[in-house]
This record gives sequence, structure tokens and C-alpha cells, in this order.
Amino acid sequence: NAGVTQTPKFQVLKTGQSMTLQCAQDMNHNSMYWYRQDPGMGLRLIYYSASEGTTDKGEVPNGYNVSRLNKREFSLRLESAAPSQTSVYFCASNEQGVTEAFFGQGTRLTVV
Amino acid sequence: AQKITQTQPGMFVQEKEAVTLDCTYDTSDQSYGLFWYKQPSSGEMIFLIYQGSYDEQNATEGRYSLNFQKARKSANLVISASQLGDSAMYFCAMREPYSGAGSYQLTFGKGTKLSVIP
Repeated sequence: NAGVTQTPKFQVLKTGQSMTLQCAQDMNHNSMYWYRQDPGMGLRLIYYSASEGTTDKGEVPNGYNVSRLNKREFSLRLESAAPSQTSVYFCASNEQGVTEAFFGQGTRLTVV
Repeated sequence: AQKITQTQPGMFVQEKEAVTLDCTYDTSDQSYGLFWYKQPSSGEMIFLIYQGSYDEQNATEGRYSLNFQKARKSANLVISASQLGDSAMYFCAMREPYSGAGSYQLTFGKGTKLSVIP
């Protein structure tokens, strides 16, 4: 009963380093999402994928790339990390047309 | 422009009392949905309740109910019989119209921190 699994849970990067956040869901959902949460803010959408092979920009896509590797997995890549990307990142998924989105446990990323 | 407004940064409630968390929204779409999520100190996002714009009855889920007033564009969360475990951040979110095979964007408010006092 895993749901949405994100790795890693915590990460510290130096400015300019790259890394990929991994997300996998085992609920056979078509749609997957990446959000970021900054202190005092709600979640903001970075990218989403309506189905395998498609991706679209959300509200704050600059500095990120995504890959929908297959139906289960949706990764978020930071090519050159900046301190402004220090945040908690959430992956989510939902069944096509169904209302509720399920969230992963979050990845706390610090860029120094 | 901010689409979801939660005007209460923090709220206190006595255990076993009811509490209302406010949420107003702004949209010109006819089809939309409103969610409430709970985020405890452990950080995960827990779905509580959903209300569709065409739903005529207010949504209820156990101790949670959504007071949906469409004309006023408000979707307040009511928690009855508060428990210590209800202490958390609560986020109101709005679903944009479906796009791309059933996917949708959620726009979140800034949240309300609820503290339940014994």
C-alpha cells in the first residue's frame, strides 16, 4: 500500500550542482504532478504530466526539467541548483477524471 | 491575482469544540472543484474533503464538512468536536478545469495553522 513514493527524503546541494528527484506511484494513475512548497506559502505547481509521454509547465517551471519515464515514474531534475530552489518538493498523482490527488511524503531540498 | 485566500494565518480552538477555517476563491470558470488538505508537522499532505462546483449539497466526511457558498465564492472547512490530533496546517485548494486527459492544476492558499488546546 505504498501510494506515491519520493526519493530522497532529504538532500543538501551546493549551488550549481545537479540532481534528480524521483517519484513513483503504484496506483496506475495517468496524471502526475510536481509541486514545491516554500515557507508561509501553499504548494505551487512546477510541472505536470497528463499521461505517459506528455509533460506541461505549471506555475513555476523555470530552472526545472521533468521526465515521464513510464506510467509509474515522473522525475524532476535541477540542472544547476540555486539557493532559490531551496524548498520542499511534493509529487502527486490522480486517477483520470477523479477528484482526489494523492501526495508523496515530500523531499526537503536545501541549496547552499 | 491570488485565486485562493485564507485570511486566518493561525487559529486556536478548545478540544471538543467546533472550528471554522475560512477560504474564499476567485474564478470565472463554471466547472471547478475545491479541496481541503491537512498537513501535520510530519509534512505529508492528507486529503480531507472535496466539493465540486455543481454539487448542490455541502460535502461531509466524518467530522469534516465544507460550507460551500457559491454566490459568495467561499468554501469554509468546519471541523466538529476538535481533537488534539487536528493540530496542523490546513490548506484550501481549487481545481482548475480538467485539461489533458483528466489532469488538473491545483491552486493552493497559504494555509491556516490550527492549534487545538486541551
